[in-house]
Amino acid sequence: DVKVTQSSRYLVKRTGEKVFLECVQDMDHENMFWYRQDPGLGLRLIYFSYDVKMKEKGDIPEGYSVSREKKERFSLILESASTNQTSMYLCASSSPGHLAKNIQYFGAGTRLSVL
Amino acid sequence: GENVEQHPSTLSVQEGDSAVIKCTYSDSASNYFPWYKQELGKRPQLIIDIRSNVGEKKDQRIAVTLNKTAKHFSLHITETQPEDSAVYFCAAIINKLTFGTGTQLKVEL
Repeated sequence: DVKVTQSSRYLVKRTGEKVFLECVQDMDHENMFWYRQDPGLGLRLIYFSYDVKMKEKGDIPEGYSVSREKKERFSLILESASTNQTSMYLCASSSPGHLAKNIQYFGAGTRLSVL
Repeated sequence: GENVEQHPSTLSVQEGDSAVIKCTYSDSASNYFPWYKQELGKRPQLIIDIRSNVGEKKDQRIAVTLNKTAKHFSLHITETQPEDSAVYFCAAIINKLTFGTGTQLKVEL
């Protein structure tokens, strides 16, 4: 069974803080993704990675960066948190291969509040 | 890039009725269309998907149809049950998944 683990379920941070959201998967998946989920906006892709040390911008990368130093871990970084980054953050992973890589497995999410 | 529109945003049905959620996509090159279900407080999970080389796929009470010409696809749930209550997301992919905005389905007793 695929397990995607996000380090925190809830986080409260102050404006201007540097925030790290961690995601680990245990299925040797090459592909990893970070989304944010907001009411009425669905799931929006922030960044994704198809390999170690590789990263690609998604649809809303502004204000975020990522790190993929190891295959199993994909970190989302908010360099200077702002109130408009208050949201639910979801990590996902998928296996390689032309068809299989399309199926994504999600973590439980981190609800971040920036005060 | 790809754009996916999903309707309705909320849907309320009586238990036993059918529910239909519709999505349209913009890029004709999209070739994979999954549907995810997210129960309250839980992670999204894939419930069914369809690839561009087929027009319909069924899995028990759930079915998905795809009209490539019109660039739309739909999720059909028959004989709805209270446990079907959740948010449903459609998505389309070329090189990355683009999700719709979600449909809150409520099945009332």
